[in-house]
Amino acid sequence: KNEVEQSPQNLTAQEGEFITINCSYSVGISALHWLQQHPGGGIVSLFMLSSGKKKHGRLIATINIQEKHSSLHITASHPRDSAVYICAVRLNYQLIWGAGTKLIIKP
Amino acid sequence: DTEVTQTPKHLVMGMTNKKSLKCEQHMGHRAMYWYKQKAKKPPELMFVYSYEKLSINESVPSRFSPECPNSSLLNLHLHALQPEDSALYLCASSRLIGVATNEKLFFGSGTQLSVL
Repeated sequence: KNEVEQSPQNLTAQEGEFITINCSYSVGISALHWLQQHPGGGIVSLFMLSSGKKKHGRLIATINIQEKHSSLHITASHPRDSAVYICAVRLNYQLIWGAGTKLIIKP
Repeated sequence: DTEVTQTPKHLVMGMTNKKSLKCEQHMGHRAMYWYKQKAKKPPELMFVYSYEKLSINESVPSRFSPECPNSSLLNLHLHALQPEDSALYLCASSRLIGVATNEKLFFGSGTQLSVL
């Protein structure tokens, strides 16, 4: 069993829809990261969470430490949000990565 | 400046070539990382530098040789690579490294390497 599980693996939605991506982890962590990777490579760090909730523009990330679960929400989704979204948990110096969720937003 | 700049963006090399990948940041970060990413897989940590000293080597073959000439630069020297080393090589930096710190990582756009 992977230490970081993401769901869904793939998600296709229409522009404007509310998107939720989930992440569950099985290890004790110091922080959880949500990252975005577009085709062609570059990874952008969206959020780093150790408790509660963070919001940046149309993106919201929440974490429940007791339940070892985090969600990434995108409101009013747009085709430019199409990317792979990755959850990663910080364990000492290491990042343990989820497999990623490939999101496609259709116009 | 919140960028991590990697050059080149693409590199094709033969198995007998010697080449180098370069990574640069001007955010004053003292931790820098090399990751290797195969297609449709998460990045795998290769090396970590902290205050210009190699602090972590994740059992990477010696044909990959990292170098940190100063606090802004990180190089990855490549020699006698194999076709299976073809991958996206990502550089990242963070303000600090350590068990007690939760530092945000800043990634470069990567170098797509093909070994023929």
